[in-house]
Amino acid sequence: NAGVTQTPKFRVLKTGQSMTLLCAQDMNHEYMYWYRQDPGMGLRLIHYSVGEGTTAKGEVPDGYNVSRLKKQNFLLGLESAAPSQTSVYFCASSYGGSDEQYFGPGTRLTVT
Amino acid sequence: GEDVEQSLFLSVREGDSSVINCTYTDSSSTYLYWYKQEPGAGLQLLTYIFSNMDMKQDQRLTVLLNKKDKHLSLRIADTQTGDSAIYFCARGAGTASKLTFGTGTRLQVTL
Repeated sequence: NAGVTQTPKFRVLKTGQSMTLLCAQDMNHEYMYWYRQDPGMGLRLIHYSVGEGTTAKGEVPDGYNVSRLKKQNFLLGLESAAPSQTSVYFCASSYGGSDEQYFGPGTRLTVT
Repeated sequence: GEDVEQSLFLSVREGDSSVINCTYTDSSSTYLYWYKQEPGAGLQLLTYIFSNMDMKQDQRLTVLLNKKDKHLSLRIADTQTGDSAIYFCARGAGTASKLTFGTGTRLQVTL
């Protein structure tokens, strides 16, 4: 049982480049989330999904897109990266909306 | 202001008790959580409390909730160096499935 995994662990992008972060969970969880963590701030929710084929906006969705084509995967895309998107990105999943969220190890993204 | 607030830093000596505090503004919170983040790692749920409870104890951890003052605390008894981490308070609104996190408190344990 790997839990929640994220790839890649680190990435450096130039402004304007695009990339996709992959989150995978093997716990058969319905709910999946993408957060960003910035210094001196708590985690902020970017997008989330309540089930396969569904996505919804969180607190800071601008500049990001997501897809949940398979229940176990939740992809976060940056179409045109900006320096303001330099952050550590965490994926999480939970069985239900009120249940414990399990977090991945994070992806550190730097946009120059 | 921030919906969930925490002090940024706490330093304690090994063996002492640590108390990490959190205040929140939204009274509709159903669940309140404490997460621990070790360096370079994701968040790990330590404990949680339902909003209709006042206290919860789990081994060295004690959570106290003052609903009137919207104040949550986490007490770690006999603090060890392995407890050094960032501790996040978070509130959940039940079926909304979304957590609102505080800024995190960095706990430093000294010998």
